[in-house]
Amino acid sequence: EIVMTQSPATLSVSPGERATLSCRASQSVSTTLAWYQLKPGQPPRLLIYGASTRATGIPARFSGSGSGTEFTLTIGSLQSEDFAVYYCQQYNEWWTFGQGTKVEMK
Amino acid sequence: EVQLVQSGAEVKKPGESLKISCQAYGFTFFRYWIGWVRHMPGRGLEWIGIIYPGDSDTRYSPSFQGQVIISADKSIGTAYLQWTSLKASDTAMYYCARLGRSGSFWGNWFDPWGQGTLVTVSS
Repeated sequence: EIVMTQSPATLSVSPGERATLSCRASQSVSTTLAWYQLKPGQPPRLLIYGASTRATGIPARFSGSGSGTEFTLTIGSLQSEDFAVYYCQQYNEWWTFGQGTKVEMK
Repeated sequence: EVQLVQSGAEVKKPGESLKISCQAYGFTFFRYWIGWVRHMPGRGLEWIGIIYPGDSDTRYSPSFQGQVIISADKSIGTAYLQWTSLKASDTAMYYCARLGRSGSFWGNWFDPWGQGTLVTVSS
């Protein structure tokens, strides 16, 4: 099973600042990597697939990069609605998720 | 609008059976794989299994094989997740989700997701 490791577990950021989230795979997954946002009471929302392609309707402040085993989700200028938990997921070999990064208000 | 609507929250006792549902709207149900994902606080998201409603081809995560049953009724556009004997450790939020592209499940992400069904198992 491919293990996904996210860091940090919690990220404290002020509105308007940039947030950088990391995700590492235990073996190469090429670019078969997705990012999801999860807020209380709402279903997970696809943000990024193919490591860097924004899903339909996702604001341009969300960007993804990386390939192989190292990936990054960047939120360019944090808005109030962006405080949430973010999960990476590999879909190269079945599906596994990271443990999540909570982005909280500083 | 493409969406998945799940059945409501359930409270059950250990040993009881349960079947939760996921109703599809806005797309050709039998052409897309539908998956189920468990979310337990502190354990993140875990893939349970997937089903192709067109022919009921079903695949399970090794962690859930034999623990749950996934099925679908393509005539009414609904997928199901079923337990025959619940345990307290089954307490979690369960999401259904469509794979993003029709056809093969390989190289395919989850989108969209249902709103989730909270299952609580307690004596």
